[in-house]
Amino acid sequence: DPKIIQKPKYLVAVTGSEKILICEQYLGHNAMYWYRQSAKKPLEFMFSYSYQKLMDNQTASSRFQPQSSKKNHLDLQITALKPDDSATYFCASSPQSNTGQLYFGEGSKLTVL
Amino acid sequence: QQQVRQSPQSLTVWEGETAILNCSYEDSTFNYFPWYQQFPGEGPALLISIRSVSDKKEDGRFTIFFNKREKKLSLHITDSQPGDSATYFCAASAGTNTGKLTFGDGTVLTVKP
Repeated sequence: DPKIIQKPKYLVAVTGSEKILICEQYLGHNAMYWYRQSAKKPLEFMFSYSYQKLMDNQTASSRFQPQSSKKNHLDLQITALKPDDSATYFCASSPQSNTGQLYFGEGSKLTVL
Repeated sequence: QQQVRQSPQSLTVWEGETAILNCSYEDSTFNYFPWYQQFPGEGPALLISIRSVSDKKEDGRFTIFFNKREKKLSLHITDSQPGDSATYFCAASAGTNTGKLTFGDGTVLTVKP
């Protein structure tokens, strides 16, 4: 059974709309992350959270907002979607923020038309 | 300037051969180097990792060789199997925030039976 659940697996949105990507991990980890993988770029770090607190934000745009309602949840809200936001978004977790050993979910593939 | 570079972009070997995947980096503060394996439609999975205090790390058929002076490392996969066919990513992080990884573009490995 997958230990990191991402929903939805695929989604299509229109330019200007808003979407929320869901991530839940059942590994008992204290650190969670969002990464993005697009066709034109390597896997990119976006955010890291430790004990539900934002540790690092590498995303220039405020259109991307992580939300942590529970220790094992880290959702990603994306507003005012643009075609360039089309990518696969991966959620990941690790035991602590300094232990490495990132475990990735299967990703949510977003297409913006 | 890309911080982590991988070569070759793609590599084909015969079953039983040793595949050698190369990685180099720019940032001398990088001190943690994991390799990830990714199959189509899945998230990256941690394969093996090394810290900059070591020059070699072995795990079964997978070995990392690390040269700090030249800022280079390589992943050797011995006795390659068709099931090893995947994309391999070299990544790096600095300091204690080992979850904030900088990824290379990946090497697509094909193992022919």
